[in-house]
Amino acid sequence: GDSVTQMEGPVTLSEEACLTINCTYTATGYPSLFWYVQYPGEGLQLLLKATKADDKGSNKGFEATYRKETTSFHLEKGSVQVSDSAVYFCALSDDDYKLSFGAGTTVTVRA
Amino acid sequence: EAGVAQSPRYKIIEKRQSVAFWCNPISGHATLYWYQQILGQGPKLLIQFQNNGVVDDSQLPKDRFSAERLKGVDSTLKIQPAKLEDSAVYLCASSLSWDGASYEQYFGPGTRLTVT
Repeated sequence: GDSVTQMEGPVTLSEEACLTINCTYTATGYPSLFWYVQYPGEGLQLLLKATKADDKGSNKGFEATYRKETTSFHLEKGSVQVSDSAVYFCALSDDDYKLSFGAGTTVTVRA
Repeated sequence: EAGVAQSPRYKIIEKRQSVAFWCNPISGHATLYWYQQILGQGPKLLIQFQNNGVVDDSQLPKDRFSAERLKGVDSTLKIQPAKLEDSAVYLCASSLSWDGASYEQYFGPGTRLTVT
């Protein structure tokens, strides 16, 4: 079945550092890929998405590129802020439009 | 626009007791989802409704879990009797539809259940 594997955390960074969270997937079809973010005390929010190979999703300074050849969708940000502290989930949706989530990566950014 | 509402936010019960969670989706959203998120894991879909009909309940432990969506709006998820392994955050999400371009899901804040 479809599955997502993402980098284990927790990840602790200093402000203005670069962030990369690795995500790889297994799917039978041609899935859409997503990054969701969960800020403390809030619900999951869609951060960005890509629906086909080589698409790049971007939002709030975060980017991720759909790489079919490596079945990956790594999340990157060049300069993190304290407000980026959250749990980040990689997810995929296949032909049935159902979401399959990774385990989540907790990111803490220190001032 | 108001988001997905859930209540209660926290609940502590003893094993073998029953518990119910409530969800009010975004107005106009036909599709409603319940997820279970165990600590350290990603959300897992329990049940999906389209209006007041069930689209998928293949992952719902039907011997103890039940859910309904009367009138195609609000939904309740019930656990009876609860087990220790049911301790988790229960997330509700909604979307305009469940396929095509309208399937982006919007999540509520969740209900954290602790079974002792």
